[in-house]
Amino acid sequence: EPEVTQTPSHQVTQMGQEVILRCVPISNHLYFYWYRQILGQKVEFLVSFYNNEISEKSEIFDDQFSVERPDGSNFTLKIRSTKLEDSAMYFCASSWRERREPQHFGDGTRLSIL
Amino acid sequence: DAKTTQPPSMDCAEGRAANLPCNHSTISGNEYVYWYRQIHSQGPQYIIHGLKNNETNEMASLIITEDRKSSTLILPHATLRDTAVYYCIVRAPDYGGSQGNLIFGKGTKLSVKP
Repeated sequence: EPEVTQTPSHQVTQMGQEVILRCVPISNHLYFYWYRQILGQKVEFLVSFYNNEISEKSEIFDDQFSVERPDGSNFTLKIRSTKLEDSAMYFCASSWRERREPQHFGDGTRLSIL
Repeated sequence: DAKTTQPPSMDCAEGRAANLPCNHSTISGNEYVYWYRQIHSQGPQYIIHGLKNNETNEMASLIITEDRKSSTLILPHATLRDTAVYYCIVRAPDYGGSQGNLIFGKGTKLSVKP
């Protein structure tokens, strides 16, 4: 069964450094998402992306964050200058053409900021 | 905030049916009910979704009341591997610019015991 894959599984970065989290969505999906989950807390929406542009973003997704689909298969989340509070699990998700179709999630990248 | 209410935790004996309730009394006519689960710190896993009719797939059954104000997820023969946090989410299939992000609550922590 096709799945969303995320790399790396764990990323350790010094505060203030830039980090790029990578995702390969399911191949025929057109809608892409990033969510995050701080340890012990709820899963929170960050951003959705369709047709090469952001379609929705939350208050968390400030100017430090950006997303890109650099080619036909990858979807990336960049954090420009990481803060301690960015430490979390980051989940990528994708969904098919119709918006009522469910989102399918990857297993996440654990980001640890030192 | 999540538009659903779920019990924080439930226990179920292995091999028995697990019935997980969800209250969504303010659901709108075009909103679907989605169920996801999260095992340990893995990514949320899609289980099933429905609008008003009962649904069944290889993982579970979804029973939605006639007034659509509540639903029950049924795992017919729970196994130890079904121990997870189960999330009930209502979401509209948005048209136009918004992609309809998922809003996760705290879910129900299901513990399947031998």
